[in-house]
Amino acid sequence: GDSVTQMEGPVTLSEEAFLTINCTYTATGYPSLFWYVQYPGEGLQLLLKATKADDKGSNKGFEATYRKETTSFHLEKGSVQVSDSAVYFCALVNSGGYQKVTFGIGTKLQVIP
Amino acid sequence: EAEVAQSPRYKITEKSQAVAFWCDPISGHATLYWYRQILGQGPELLVQFQDESVVDDSQLPKDRFSAERLKGVDSTLKIQPAELGDSAMYLCASSRRSAGGPSGANVLTFGAGSRLTVL
Repeated sequence: GDSVTQMEGPVTLSEEAFLTINCTYTATGYPSLFWYVQYPGEGLQLLLKATKADDKGSNKGFEATYRKETTSFHLEKGSVQVSDSAVYFCALVNSGGYQKVTFGIGTKLQVIP
Repeated sequence: EAEVAQSPRYKITEKSQAVAFWCDPISGHATLYWYRQILGQGPELLVQFQDESVVDDSQLPKDRFSAERLKGVDSTLKIQPAELGDSAMYLCASSRRSAGGPSGANVLTFGAGSRLTVL
């Protein structure tokens, strides 16, 4: 079945540091890929998405590129802020049927001033 | 901005008791999902509805969990009897996407969740 593997956290960075959170996936067909973010005490929010190979999703300074050859969708940000502290989830939607969404385990990011 | 409404936000119950969660999706969203999120883990799909029909409940513990979406709008998730291991956040989400069609448009909007503690 479909699966998503994320790097385990927590990740602790100083403000203005460069962020990478790794995500790889296993899926049949041509899935769409997403990053969701969860702030403390809240539900998940869509951060960015990519629907086909080589697409780059971007939002709020975060970027991720859909790499079919390496089955990856790594999240990056050039300069993190304290307000970016949250849990980040990589997810995929399969391309057939009722489009089940599969999530990774989440990576907690803590940014310190 | 439209939101997915969930209630209650917090629920504390004793094991063997019954508990119910309610979700009101964004108007017009055909697909509704219930996820369980155990602390420190990613969301796990319990049940997915397309309108009023269940399209995936393969991970739903059917001996104690039930879900319904009678009119294809709001939904209720019930647990009876609750067990200690059911302590988790229960997340509801909805999306506009219907079955079939090109992939990639199925963006989920989540509610704030219902946190269950079973004592």
